[in-house]
Amino acid sequence: NAGVMQNPRHLVRRRGQEARLRCSPMKGHSHVYWYRQLPEEGLKFMVYLQKENIIDESGMPKERFSAEFPKEGPSILRIQQVVRGDSAAYFCASSTSGGRNQPQHFGDGTRLSIL
Amino acid sequence: QKEVEQDPGPLSVPEGAIVSLNCTYSNSAFQYFMWYRQYSRKGPELLMYTYSSGNKEDGRFTAQVDKSSKYISLFIRDSQPSDSATYLCAMTGDTDKLIFGTGTRLQVFP
Repeated sequence: NAGVMQNPRHLVRRRGQEARLRCSPMKGHSHVYWYRQLPEEGLKFMVYLQKENIIDESGMPKERFSAEFPKEGPSILRIQQVVRGDSAAYFCASSTSGGRNQPQHFGDGTRLSIL
Repeated sequence: QKEVEQDPGPLSVPEGAIVSLNCTYSNSAFQYFMWYRQYSRKGPELLMYTYSSGNKEDGRFTAQVDKSSKYISLFIRDSQPSDSATYLCAMTGDTDKLIFGTGTRLQVFP
């Protein structure tokens, strides 16, 4: 499967727990983007990463959220001390390189539910 | 005012109809325009990608961009029940982050 892989597909957490969402980009892609989709809303940009670098985190909440894309392994979006308002679908996209002329391809998302 | 406006629908059409989906935007810096299709419980799938103004055709799909009016369109010819999905417009200009519309739900009935 050459597509963007996200896991888990569904994640249930209780308030106060930590959530870790993983994203493996398409083969040959070295740029990763995270977006959040709330019910009845469009996708909202969160963060843009290259290997070992955060390029743009202007859409990330200031507290509890962090992201990384290590040299080896998938990109991780981490949410600490989750609250009900974190319930959403989180999508990862990847592209071959940065720049606006490189289309972003999306995975099928992780649906996070907070009890 | 949102940067990108898109009618949420739903839009219901008979099989074989021509479908017109539209978005308007306010940021004149936007230069790259995309249409994604999203089936229920799946991720967005890139359908069309255009730069600046003009038309682009791919099979039954045609994308149009009118930068002077800040208006983009996606036309689907000979629509099929399998086209039933939510269609998202997205755009970007001087950054790498995509700005999405809220999506239009399309239903094509046999």
